Amino acid sequence: EIILTQSPGTLSLSPGDRATLSCRASYNTGSSHFAWYQQKPGQRPRLLVYDSSRRATDTPDRFSGSRSGPDVSLTISALEPEDCAVYFCHQYGLTPWTFGQGTKVEIK
Amino acid sequence: EVTLLESGGGLVQPGGSLRLSCAVSGFTFSEYAMNWVRQPPGKGLEWVSVIDKSGGRTYYADSVKGRLTVSRDNSRNLLFLQIDSLRAEDTAVYYCAKPTEADYLLGALDSWGQGTLVTVSS
Repeated sequence: EIILTQSPGTLSLSPGDRATLSCRASYNTGSSHFAWYQQKPGQRPRLLVYDSSRRATDTPDRFSGSRSGPDVSLTISALEPEDCAVYFCHQYGLTPWTFGQGTKVEIK
Repeated sequence: EVTLLESGGGLVQPGGSLRLSCAVSGFTFSEYAMNWVRQPPGKGLEWVSVIDKSGGRTYYADSVKGRLTVSRDNSRNLLFLQIDSLRAEDTAVYYCAKPTEADYLLGALDSWGQGTLVTVSS
């Protein structure tokens, strides 16, 4: 099983700041595929990025994803108040699919 | 518009069973693999199971293997999750979710239901 470790646990930033969320896979494999989801309180998760860097439909272009080996990241170029949420990374290349434990983004 | 609607959750005693359903519309159900993901209250997401488009292949998280059975009825656009020998740690919101691409088992999850809460307690 690929374990995903997200960091930091919580990110507290101001509107307009750049946010970088990290996710490290326990081992690197060319078969891995990665996605990022946003979840706001009381809501279902929403897909933001898939295949490491492809934006999902309706994802604002301030969100971008990248990958280098086992390290995957989500960058929010300029935080908006509505970006306050928990963000989860997800690998879906090798069963069992797995999720990271989440990074909470707080807006000061 | 793609919609997924879970049902069947509720309060169950330890050792009991439940069958969750997910009714879908807005896409050709028989062309997509489908997933179940759960989320304990206040915690993160845990992938539970995936079933291929025909129902012939299924995969499960190690934590639930042997107690959960995923199935589907393509004629009625329904996905199911049978949970047996329920434990307190199965308490969670259970979501059904559709992958981005048809025909493939793997895929990021671009549509989710609202979830159904399963509570295991005596």
